Amino acid sequence: AQTVTQSQPEMSVQEAETVTLSCTYDTSESNYYLFWYKQPPSRQMILVIRQEAYKQQNATENRFSVNFQKAAKSFSLKISDSQLGDTAMYFCAFPQGGSEKLVFGKGMKLTVNP
Amino acid sequence: NAGVTQTPKFQVLKTGQSMTLQCAQDMNHEYMSWYRQDPGMGLRLIHYSVGAGITDQGEVPNGYNVSRSTTEDFPLRLLSAAPSQTSVYFCASSYLTPGQGFSYEQYFGPGTRLTVT
Repeated sequence: AQTVTQSQPEMSVQEAETVTLSCTYDTSESNYYLFWYKQPPSRQMILVIRQEAYKQQNATENRFSVNFQKAAKSFSLKISDSQLGDTAMYFCAFPQGGSEKLVFGKGMKLTVNP
Repeated sequence: NAGVTQTPKFQVLKTGQSMTLQCAQDMNHEYMSWYRQDPGMGLRLIHYSVGAGITDQGEVPNGYNVSRSTTEDFPLRLLSAAPSQTSVYFCASSYLTPGQGFSYEQYFGPGTRLTVT
């Protein structure tokens, strides 16, 4: 069963705008990691950011940050100052049941327009 | 380091043919996995391995076979290709933290686009 949900299949923004990508998941584990991956048109999968569930502080990597709401099981990705190179598919990923099975959401296509 | 390499990059098969997709990594990662990516479906786990000699099924294992005889290599075999196996296939590898399962990023290969006619 799918345990990671990305409800928005597609979004488009203008360059320099801020955009938030949503992701929800389901688990009974208390300690786990969450991931956002980016897949540009080149098809290469690239890690964007990682969040450890036991940490209160939201992870940040340059223009990318997360809003992690553990109780709500929500893990959204915020991209600030969007750039043309951010155009890509974005996938939320989560280890199913704390196991080694990494489950991906269905992805969201982000287009950044000039 | 070459990272994760996959061969071939493209392949066309006829229904019923068999073939092996190759995957190798030079990072001494314990964990290796195979995913397939289909439009609107995200990446779905086919098989994975937590070390040499150990493999397990993912979400969509039917029609695929794997083995892990070395740490470096994790080939994926299509036993009798079907049009439903037309997809892009990704191999990935990662470290494992004992007792914590997935804590590190997965390193992905460039993918293989397979078409079954």
